[in-house]
Amino acid sequence: DVVLTQTPSTLSATIGQSVSISCRSSQSLLDSAGNTYLYWYLQRPGQSPQLLIYLVSNLGSGVPNRFSGSGSGTDFTLKISGVEAEDLGVYYCMQATHAPLTFGSGTKLEIK
Amino acid sequence: QVQLKESGPGLVKPSLTLSLTCTVSGFSLSSYGVIWVRQPPGKGLEWMGVIWGNGNTNYNSALKSRLSISRDTSKSQVFLKMNNLQTEDTAMYFCSTFDYWGQGVMVTVSS
Repeated sequence: DVVLTQTPSTLSATIGQSVSISCRSSQSLLDSAGNTYLYWYLQRPGQSPQLLIYLVSNLGSGVPNRFSGSGSGTDFTLKISGVEAEDLGVYYCMQATHAPLTFGSGTKLEIK
Repeated sequence: QVQLKESGPGLVKPSLTLSLTCTVSGFSLSSYGVIWVRQPPGKGLEWMGVIWGNGNTNYNSALKSRLSISRDTSKSQVFLKMNNLQTEDTAMYFCSTFDYWGQGVMVTVSS
């Protein structure tokens, strides 16, 4: 099974600060058709996860453009350019290139 | 608009079978996959399984022997069945289309 390693596990940021979260895969997420099925989700306290990014770098519907995704192969990054108070929660990467699908262990973003 | 809603028993006794239903609207199950994800209290997300638009399924390796996912496209429902439940199966259970998520249903395994 593909293992996704997220770092850091906890992140503390001030309002307006830019932060990045890394997601590293144990094998390439590029499939034979040239697609990379790497997603990013945010789970706010007490809520269901919400989609932020799909296919590495595509912004989900209604997601603010301060969120961006990048990467290829085995290394991926989620960047928040100017953290806002509503961004607190746990961020997860998920891969859907290889079955079984797998999640990263999560990164908790705290606001200072 | 797209909506998903999980339903099922809140309490299940150990060794028994869990049956959950995900009722969807706003899209066809024949066109989109639905995944099941669970989250034990205070822990991270665990992917359980998927039923794709073509009806094929994939399962979490650790749960494969106990888990079954099926659907009724005419009723827009996806079903999860997991047998031999243990206390460690206590969790919030979600269904999702990858971009849309249900509110989740809390399942407690206890005698």
